[in-house]
Amino acid sequence: GAVVSQHPSWVICKSGTSVKIECRSLDFQATTMFWYRQFPKQSLMLMATSNEGSKATYEQGVEKDKFLINHASLTLSTLTVTSAHPEDSSFYICSARGTGALFNEQFFGPGTRLTVL
Amino acid sequence: DAKTTQPPSMDCAEGRAANLPCNHSTISGNEYVYWYRQIHSQGPQYIIHGLKNNETNEMASLIITEDRKSSTLILPHATLRDTAVYYCIVRVATGQAGTALIFGKGTTLSVSS
Repeated sequence: GAVVSQHPSWVICKSGTSVKIECRSLDFQATTMFWYRQFPKQSLMLMATSNEGSKATYEQGVEKDKFLINHASLTLSTLTVTSAHPEDSSFYICSARGTGALFNEQFFGPGTRLTVL
Repeated sequence: DAKTTQPPSMDCAEGRAANLPCNHSTISGNEYVYWYRQIHSQGPQYIIHGLKNNETNEMASLIITEDRKSSTLILPHATLRDTAVYYCIVRVATGQAGTALIFGKGTTLSVSS
C-alpha cells in the first residue's frame, strides 16, 4: 500500500513550452503533497507544499508563476513548468502525506526527469 | 540550517554489516529521526524511524543514543542493491500538518563484492 505514481517518468521539451507533471496517490488519500527538485549530484530541494483545495506554499526562491501547482483532489496534484528553459532541466519528485494512520508518513513518487532543449 | 551531519561517503563489502552514523546534536524532544535512501534516479524510499528507543524492521535497525544526539542505521547484511544515498532526517512527527521532510546531503554508501 501507500503508492505514489508520477506521470510522465521522463519528458523532453523545447525551450519556451510548458510541461505538466502529474502526481497521484494510488491507494490512499493525500491532503498534503510536496514537490521537490533534484539537480545532478545534489540533494532533494523542497519547492512547494500543497494542500488539497487551497493554494500552494512555495519555498523561498521558487517562482510561483513559473511552477504552477494544482491540488484539486485528494489523490492528484499537478506541477506545470511554464515557459521551460534549459536551466529547468531537473529531476522532479512528488511526495504525499496520508491521512489518519498515515498522517505522519510521507510517501515518494518515482520522479520525473525533465530535459529542456 | 542542516539539522543532521552525515559522512559524505562510506564503503562496505557485500554480506557485511553497514553502519551509517548520523549526528543530530540539536534535536528537540518531540523530533523523530527518519532514515530514507535514494537509489540512483529513483524517488526516496522510507527505511525506518524512531524517537528514542532502538527500532528494527525487515530492512534495517536504528540505534539511537541515550542522549538522542546521534544515531546509527545498521544494514545487517549489505548487498549490491543497497548501494544508494542514505539520508538521516529529524522532524516533528505529530501535529505538524504540512511539514515536509528536508533532505541534507546524505551518505553515499557503496557496496562492493
